[in-house]
Amino acid sequence: EDKVVQSPLSLVVHEGDTVTLNCSYEVTNFRSLLWYKQEKKAPTFLFMLTSSGIEKKSGRLSSILDKKELFSILNITATQTGDSAVYLCAGGSYNTDKLIFGTGTRLQVFP
Amino acid sequence: NAGVTQTPKFQVLKTGQSMTLQCAQDMNHNSMYWYRQDPGMGLRLIYYSASEGTTDKGEVPNGYNVSRLNKREFSLRLESAAPSQTSVYFCASSEAGVRGRVTDTQYFGPGTRLTVL
Repeated sequence: EDKVVQSPLSLVVHEGDTVTLNCSYEVTNFRSLLWYKQEKKAPTFLFMLTSSGIEKKSGRLSSILDKKELFSILNITATQTGDSAVYLCAGGSYNTDKLIFGTGTRLQVFP
Repeated sequence: NAGVTQTPKFQVLKTGQSMTLQCAQDMNHNSMYWYRQDPGMGLRLIYYSASEGTTDKGEVPNGYNVSRLNKREFSLRLESAAPSQTSVYFCASSEAGVRGRVTDTQYFGPGTRLTVL
């Protein structure tokens, strides 16, 4: 059965710290790995990584995909209180248009 | 563009009542999805629709029905609500199925918070 596992479940840091969120996946006929940020509302899209794009960066956020070891990481440098959210990871497959979501990592950034 | 819209934002039902959650997207996307989100459980897929006129069960379809009314609209119906259906419901859409590129990104609506007493 396909699955996506995220770690840690939660993380508490101070502003300015750097954090690394982990996502391992087992997805049959893997096609993509997506990261979302969810504050007190709907998930918002951050990155999609595929065979042709295994590294993405946007400002203080960056992500890499390791297709050999079947994992991805999301890095956030110089964290701010506005980074506090649940970060969701999801896997996509060539077999289906559905995504398999992990249960998320809750990040809390304190001043 | 409004993106994905959902109505209502909040709803309280009594056990046994029925209701329909509405979802619409204006991005001309092919695929639409209904999820529920419960504490500690992440997003679980209820039903999805790969194109107008087609629907398929997801991970947790029991107690729900859906209708893909047209390309824009995808509704979720609870025929006889139960307390176990208390949750936050999200609708999402994606381009999906576009040849030549990966179109897995799903865009989410604002959610409906449903409480069943």
